[in-house]
Amino acid sequence: AQTVTQSQPEMSVQEAETVTLSCTYDTSESDYYLFWYKQPPSRQMILVIRQEAYKQQNATENRFSVNFQKAAKSFSLKISDSQLGDAAMYFCAYRSLPSGSARQLTFGSGTQLTVLP
Amino acid sequence: NAGVTQTPKFRILKIGQSMTLQCTQDMNHNYMYWYRQDPGMGLKLIYYSVGAGITDKGEVPNGYNVSRSTTEDFPLRLELAAPSQTSVYFCASSKGLAYNGNGDEQFFGPGTRLTVL
Repeated sequence: AQTVTQSQPEMSVQEAETVTLSCTYDTSESDYYLFWYKQPPSRQMILVIRQEAYKQQNATENRFSVNFQKAAKSFSLKISDSQLGDAAMYFCAYRSLPSGSARQLTFGSGTQLTVLP
Repeated sequence: NAGVTQTPKFRILKIGQSMTLQCTQDMNHNYMYWYRQDPGMGLKLIYYSVGAGITDKGEVPNGYNVSRSTTEDFPLRLELAAPSQTSVYFCASSKGLAYNGNGDEQFFGPGTRLTVL
């Protein structure tokens, strides 16, 4: 079974600065997807960014980018030019690739990000 | 499109009571999921469905039942509520089947906060 670990329960960043959230995972599979989800106080789960394990290029979405290290099984999220609206709980998640699988997401325990004005 | 909708938003139950959490999606997705989120934790899969009439257990199915009579609806039933079922419940859906594009992104509902006293 896959496991996802987020070792930073809480992080803070000054507005306009850059912050990196860490995520490691354990799997025996060679192909899979990785995701970062944002959960603001409204509780809505919002997809921030996704990464296909078979792609070497790191995914980017505007101010959000990842550092994907497949051999190290590491998947960190970098938020540049942090904004007050970025304050939320961030979850790292894993999904198996094969189409015959359940396709469920395996989540880490989350990192609570505070953005300081 | 309303996406994934869940009712109710909040509910307080007494020990031993039963209730059904409703989930509806209007995106014609084949896959649907129920997750629970305990305080300070990531989401854990309770049950999932790959299509109408087909359901299967996830990581934490004890104390719950599901049915999938239509593509749109995936209700979650609690038969004998226990304090351990106090949690926030999320329903999600994805295209599923052979679709792996975009990692078969899961779309989440707003959640139901359930307290069992």
